[in-house]
Amino acid sequence: GAVVSQHPSWVICKSGTSVKIECRSLDFQATTMFWYRQFPKQSLMLMATSNEGSKATYEQGVEKDKFLINHASLTLSTLTVTSAHPEDSSFYICSASLQPQHFGDGTRLSIL
Amino acid sequence: QKEVEQNSGPLSVPEGAIASLNCTYSDRGSQSFFWYRQYSGKSPELIMFIYSNGDKEDGRFTAQLNKASQYVSLLIRDSQPSDSATYLCAVNSVADKLIFGTGTRLQVFP
Repeated sequence: GAVVSQHPSWVICKSGTSVKIECRSLDFQATTMFWYRQFPKQSLMLMATSNEGSKATYEQGVEKDKFLINHASLTLSTLTVTSAHPEDSSFYICSASLQPQHFGDGTRLSIL
Repeated sequence: QKEVEQNSGPLSVPEGAIASLNCTYSDRGSQSFFWYRQYSGKSPELIMFIYSNGDKEDGRFTAQLNKASQYVSLLIRDSQPSDSATYLCAVNSVADKLIFGTGTRLQVFP
C-alpha cells in the first residue's frame, strides 16, 4: 500500500494565486521529505529537502521565497507555490526519506 | 556535476522478449542504485534497488551493478505490453538525495 500520500492530485488556478500541496507519510515518521518537479518529457528534478523542525534546503536555482516549504510535524510537509504563473505549471512530486524513497502520487499544477 | 545518463529511447521489444535498460553514473562514491517505473501522468514506482556488485533478481526483473564500470542495468524478462512505461535510473547522492536519469521509454508490442 501507499506509504506517502499527496494532496491535491490536480490544481487548476489563475495566475497570481498561491497553491499549497500537502505530503503526508503514512504509518511512519519522516524527519526528511523531498520535493521534486517534473516538466513534460523530462526527468525528476529535486527542488528542496524538507527537514522537520528546521528550514528547508533548496537546490541551486530554486527560489525559496517562491516555493515555501513547511515541515511542522513528523508526518506532514507542505509546499506552497506563491503567486504562481504559467511557467510554474508542472508535475510536483514528494517523497519521504524512507530507504528506498517512495513517492506520493504527485500533484499536477496548471496555471492559467 | 554529478550525472546519471540513460538512453531516452524508445526501446521497442516484442512481447515475451527480454528488455535491457542501461544507465551510467559519474559519481564513483555512489552506493545505492534504484530503478523506478513511471507510467504517463503518474508518479514513479520503485521496481528494484541494488547496493552490491553483481545481479539481483526479483520475479521478471534483474538489476545488474558494476561499480568499476559505473554501470547499472535492468533486465525485464518475458516483457508484457503492461511493462510499457518510462524507466528511471536513480543514484544516491549526499544526504539521502537521489539523482535521476532522464529515463528510457520502453514500448512492448504484442
